[in-house]
Parts: sequence; C-alpha cells; structure tokens
Amino acid sequence: AQRVTQPEKLLSVFKGAPVELKCNYSYSGSPELFWYVQYSRQRLQLLLRHISRESIKGFTADLNKGETSFHLKKPFAQEEDSAMYYCALNQAGTALIFGKGTTLSVSS
Amino acid sequence: DAGITQSPRYKITETGRQVTLMCHQTWSHSYMFWYRQDLGHGLRLIYYSAAADITDKGEVPDGYVVSRSKTENFPLTLESATRSQTSVYFCASSEAAGTSGTGELFFGEGSRLTVL
Repeated sequence: AQRVTQPEKLLSVFKGAPVELKCNYSYSGSPELFWYVQYSRQRLQLLLRHISRESIKGFTADLNKGETSFHLKKPFAQEEDSAMYYCALNQAGTALIFGKGTTLSVSS
Repeated sequence: DAGITQSPRYKITETGRQVTLMCHQTWSHSYMFWYRQDLGHGLRLIYYSAAADITDKGEVPDGYVVSRSKTENFPLTLESATRSQTSVYFCASSEAAGTSGTGELFFGEGSRLTVL
C-alpha cells in the first residue's frame, strides 16, 4: 500500500542551524513527491516537487529511490521557516496522499 | 475574487444533524479534493473528483457524501454528523493529477467543524 511517513511530529532548531525534515514513502511505481507547507494563518501551499529539482526559500529535497526517502533540507534555518510541513506522494491516477506532517519551530 | 473559497469557515453543529461544506473555485480546474486535517493524522483524503459528475472515494469516505454537478463547485455533506467528524476540512483543486501530470494543489482556507 502507498504510504508517506514523516517520523517527527516536531522539530525544534535554533536560527542558523541546519534543518532536515524526514520523509519516507512506500510506493510500487515511479513516485512523484512533493513538500507542502502551512505557515501560521496561511493556506497550505506547494513548497517544492522532486521533478523540478529546484531550491525554494533555500530548501531542497532529493529523491532517493534506494532509501525511498525525500528529505527536506535547508542549511541555515530562519525564524520565518517555522511552519507545518507535509510530504506528499502522488498516487498515479488518483490523488495526493500526505504524511502526518512535521511542525518546524525555529527560535533565536 | 478568483481562487478557491470555502464556506462556512466555522461551523458548530450537533450530533445527528446534516451539514454541508461548500467549495467553489474560479479557475475551471478539472480536479477537486476534500481533505480533513486532524492532530496526529495529518491530512487525509475524503473524496476527490476528476471532472463534473465524476467522484471517487479517498482514504476516509465513510459518513460523507459529495457531488459535482458543476466544475466549479464541490460540496461535501455530512449526512448525520458524529463527534469523530470534528475536524478542519480543506478543499483543494488542481489542473491535473495522476499520470497525466500532477498539477499543483491549491487549497482553500479551511472549514473548522465542531460536532457537539
């Protein structure tokens, strides 16, 4: 069965520290993976997708098929990065399924 | 305004009552989705629709009914609300999903439902 696992409910770091939000997936086909973010009082929005191989707001994520992972990384966290982050997997022909989310808290 | 809107934003109801949450989008996106967000469960897909008059179940469809008579509207009905349906409900739309190419999901602001 398709599944997205985000093992950390909460990740607390200091400003300037590196951040890694973990995401593992289970999928029999060729996966299409995403990170969505929900800032306080804002709508859920797309942060990045693996096929774009882009860096958004300093975040990157690399698909590792061997480890079935799509971890989100940023070398230097900022306070404005504090938010809820969801990893999502596209089920071919259906819809996105989301992980349980990780709350990132960045303090000074 | 263009975009995706949900109503009501906040609703309190009682067990056994019927509740309908509305979702309207102005982009003419083919796909629309309903998710519920619960602490400890993240976002779970309730129902989705690939086009008008086409709907399909997601992970947690029990107790919910949807319809899509027009492309722009995708109402979600709780036929007989239960306390376990207390949640924040998010509607989303996209241009495409699945192997045809995944469009970005655009989310509404959410509808917070409390069932007493």
